[in-house]
Amino acid sequence: EPEVTQTPSHQVTQMGQEVILRCVPISNHLYFYWYRQILGQKVEFLVSFYNNEISEKSEIFDDQFSVERPDGSNFTLKIRSTKLEDSAMYFCASSVQLNTEAFFGQGTRLTVV
Amino acid sequence: AQSVTQLDSQVPVFEEAPVELRCNYSSSVSVYLFWYVQYPNQGLQLLLKYLSGSTLVKGINGFEAEFNKSQTSFHLRKPSVHISDTAEYFCAVTLLLGIKAAGNKLTFGGGTRVLVKP
Repeated sequence: EPEVTQTPSHQVTQMGQEVILRCVPISNHLYFYWYRQILGQKVEFLVSFYNNEISEKSEIFDDQFSVERPDGSNFTLKIRSTKLEDSAMYFCASSVQLNTEAFFGQGTRLTVV
Repeated sequence: AQSVTQLDSQVPVFEEAPVELRCNYSSSVSVYLFWYVQYPNQGLQLLLKYLSGSTLVKGINGFEAEFNKSQTSFHLRKPSVHISDTAEYFCAVTLLLGIKAAGNKLTFGGGTRVLVKP
C-alpha cells in the first residue's frame, strides 16, 4: 500500500542551525502539507502546497520556514535558524485531490538543544 | 474560522467495554469530518471520514461515528474495545471550499487519550 515516508525519524540540532525535513508523498497525490505537534499540544497546520506553490500557510509559518518540491518526488520543509520552541513532531501529509482525506507520514521528531 | 473541541482529554476504559469519544466543531461553512488515530510513537492513521451521504460512517478496527449537523457533532464509538485500541484519537475538520488551490487544511481537536485496561 502506498504511504508517505519521512526522513529522518529523529533529528537533534543546535539552536540557530538550519534543518531540512524530508518527505516523499504518495506518487499520484497533488496536495502536500506540513503539520507540527508540540509535545502535549494539538496537531497544528503549517503550510499547504499545490501546483508548485504555497496555497495556504498559518501564522506559525514565518520567514524562518520554507518548503520546496525540488524534484517531483520529494517535499521538504526547511527551518532556517532553529529555536528551542521549534522542537516538535513534524508530520508531512498528502492528498490526491481536493476534499479527500490526507495521508500522513510517521513524522520527524525535531529536538532543538 | 473553524474550530474543533474534543471534550475529554483522557478516557480510561476496561477491555471489552464500549467507548464514546466526543467531538464538536464550529464552522461558518460546510465541513468534511475525520477521525485519526495515533498509536504510541507512530504517525496519524485515518480511522474514518464523513464527506457526504449517510450520517453514520463505519471505519477501520470496528469504529464508527455519527455526524449530527444540528448539534455540530461527530462522536466516535466502538462497542467493545481491545487493549490494542490504546492510543490517542484526533477529530479533525476541513472546510468544504470550492477553491481548487486551497487544498484540504485540517483543523484538529486537542485529542483524546484512550487507555484500555485489562
